[in-house]
Amino acid sequence: DQQVKQNSPSLSVQEGRISILNCDYTNSMFDYFLWYKKYPAEGPTFLISISSIKDKNEDGRFTVFLNKSAKHLSLHIVPSQPGDSAVYFCASNAGGTSYGKLTFGQGTILTVHP
Amino acid sequence: DTGVSQDPRHKITKRGQNVTFRCDPISEHNRLYWYRQTLGQGPEFLTYFQNEAQLEKSRLLSDRFSAERPKGSFSTLEIQRTEQGDSAMYLCASSRGHGREDYNEQFFGPGTRLTVL
Repeated sequence: DQQVKQNSPSLSVQEGRISILNCDYTNSMFDYFLWYKKYPAEGPTFLISISSIKDKNEDGRFTVFLNKSAKHLSLHIVPSQPGDSAVYFCASNAGGTSYGKLTFGQGTILTVHP
Repeated sequence: DTGVSQDPRHKITKRGQNVTFRCDPISEHNRLYWYRQTLGQGPEFLTYFQNEAQLEKSRLLSDRFSAERPKGSFSTLEIQRTEQGDSAMYLCASSRGHGREDYNEQFFGPGTRLTVL
């Protein structure tokens, strides 16, 4: 049962344009959401997060949007740079004793062309 | 501090053999996590420790799998009687343990790639 889904296996974008990565979740207990980025031969690195009490969080070129009613979140990267080319995972977490237990999506491979 | 380290980076073994992986977390982090990642999938949670206490285990963690963190520092993950289905990347992560944001901002190691022949 895939509780976190990233339905686009890959995304190709031109440098300077916007990259939009999408993620859907099914578990209504999830109330904290994160994006991780992964380069080849490295472990995932934390990028940005959002709590369910918010609908938007920004950090520089990265913005995460959360639509709780649709159980959907998205990551916007503006402007995209070639160094952003990586695999992006969204992850979710429920509260209570599940703090720290992250449920990941399958990942989206982002390629930014110069 | 150089981050989370894992050893070995690659392990090839024959079916039925036992293997052990080691993870050294960031020194001031009191939480340590193990995940497994197969091709085309995201990391799947296996277990986590708060200091030396193992607080939660996934049902993915069969009784052939055991993890320890004896002194609340490094951790080991052992797989007994390996099966071909155990072939995967095993990722370790650590975090501070002072609040929700700290728990979720996990720092991952490079992983140990296990191949069971």
